[in-house]
Amino acid sequence: AQKITQTQPGMFVQEKEAVTLDCTYDTSDQSYGLFWYKQPSSGEMIFLIYQGSYDEQNATEGRYSLNFQKARKSANLVISASQLGDSAMYFCAMREGRTGGFKTIFGAGTRLFVKA
Amino acid sequence: KAGVTQTPRYLIKTRGQQVTLSCSPISGHRSVSWYQQTPGQGLQFLFEYFSETQRNKGNFPGRFSGRQFSNSRSEMNVSTLELGDSALYLCASSSIRAGQETQYFGPGTRLLVL
Repeated sequence: AQKITQTQPGMFVQEKEAVTLDCTYDTSDQSYGLFWYKQPSSGEMIFLIYQGSYDEQNATEGRYSLNFQKARKSANLVISASQLGDSAMYFCAMREGRTGGFKTIFGAGTRLFVKA
Repeated sequence: KAGVTQTPRYLIKTRGQQVTLSCSPISGHRSVSWYQQTPGQGLQFLFEYFSETQRNKGNFPGRFSGRQFSNSRSEMNVSTLELGDSALYLCASSSIRAGQETQYFGPGTRLLVL
């Protein structure tokens, strides 16, 4: 069965430093997509970054990069130069079934606190 | 380009009532998914629609249903509400372009069942 594991319930990082949020996944499918979302206290889910299972290069979007290690089934999010506004809940998610319909499962999330 | 919109944003109902939530996806997106978020269960997939057809369904009872219209707008309905249905309901619209998937969420509907 599909599964997403985020082992860090909470993380602290100093402003302007980099932080890595861990995510491991389990799937028997060859084709899948991995996402990271940010959820501030307002509740909206903000799309950050996407990595396809066949993508050979790690995805990057501004200060966000995804460290994709396919053999280890890990998709860690790296946030460089943390800002106070990065304090939020972060969810790792996996979607399978590109042609047969999408079903996304989410990890339990990691709450990030950025300290001034 | 306008984002995903959901209405209403907040809703208070009593047990036994039914509720209908609406979602308008990003223009051009044909896939719409619904999720339930609660403190205890986290984010759980409800169902996904594409071109008016339900393609996937999560593990929720039959009280939860949905549909998609020809303009890709989607509604979900919960009948015979229970206290445990209190949650944030999120809708997301998706597309694939050049092998890159995107899935954008709406602001959600907060449902409180009393």
